[in-house]
Amino acid sequence: AIRITQSPSSLSASTGDRVTITCRASQGISSYLAWYQQKPGKAPKLLIYAASTLQSGVPSRFSGSGSGTDFTLTISCLQSEDFATYYCQQYYSYPLFGGGTKVEIK
Amino acid sequence: QVQLQESGPGLVKPSGTLSLTCAVSGGSISSSNWWSWVRQPPGKGLEWIGEIYHSGSTNYNPSLKSRVTISVDKSKNQFSLKLSSVTAADTAVYYCARGGSSAVAGSILGHWGQGTLVTVSS
Repeated sequence: AIRITQSPSSLSASTGDRVTITCRASQGISSYLAWYQQKPGKAPKLLIYAASTLQSGVPSRFSGSGSGTDFTLTISCLQSEDFATYYCQQYYSYPLFGGGTKVEIK
Repeated sequence: QVQLQESGPGLVKPSGTLSLTCAVSGGSISSSNWWSWVRQPPGKGLEWIGEIYHSGSTNYNPSLKSRVTISVDKSKNQFSLKLSSVTAADTAVYYCARGGSSAVAGSILGHWGQGTLVTVSS
């Protein structure tokens, strides 16, 4: 079974910072990776799919990159509404989510 | 804009069967999309349970496959989840979600319900 390792599990950042979250797959998954944002008490929201395609309506400060086994979600200029937990999800085989990264206010 | 709404008992006894329904509005369950269930134990991460197409084709998480049944009711524009032999470990917020239209994109979950908490306890 494919394993997904997401890091870090949490980070502290300030508004305006550039933030990077990574996901590593235990085997190659091509570009079959998505990123979601989840705020407390809310359902996850799709941000990026196919590793780098921005979902409609998602701000351009969010970007994704990578293919094969290593992937990155970047928030170029952190806004107050971006403090949340982020999950990656591979869909090369049955869908599997990473453990999540909580982005907190420094 | 499609909307999804989960419903079902919030409390299930151990060894019983968890049953939830997801009502779809603003769109048809017979559209070219896959329909998924995802759960999240309190304070923990997301776990995909399974998915269904309007034809009745299903895919399940191997770790839950022996206990899960997902079905579709096109006449009511809804799909359902049954999870048998539940334990406290099945306590979670259960979400229904709409995926894409291809076999692979079906697992890209672009629309979600608000989620419903199901507690397994006697």
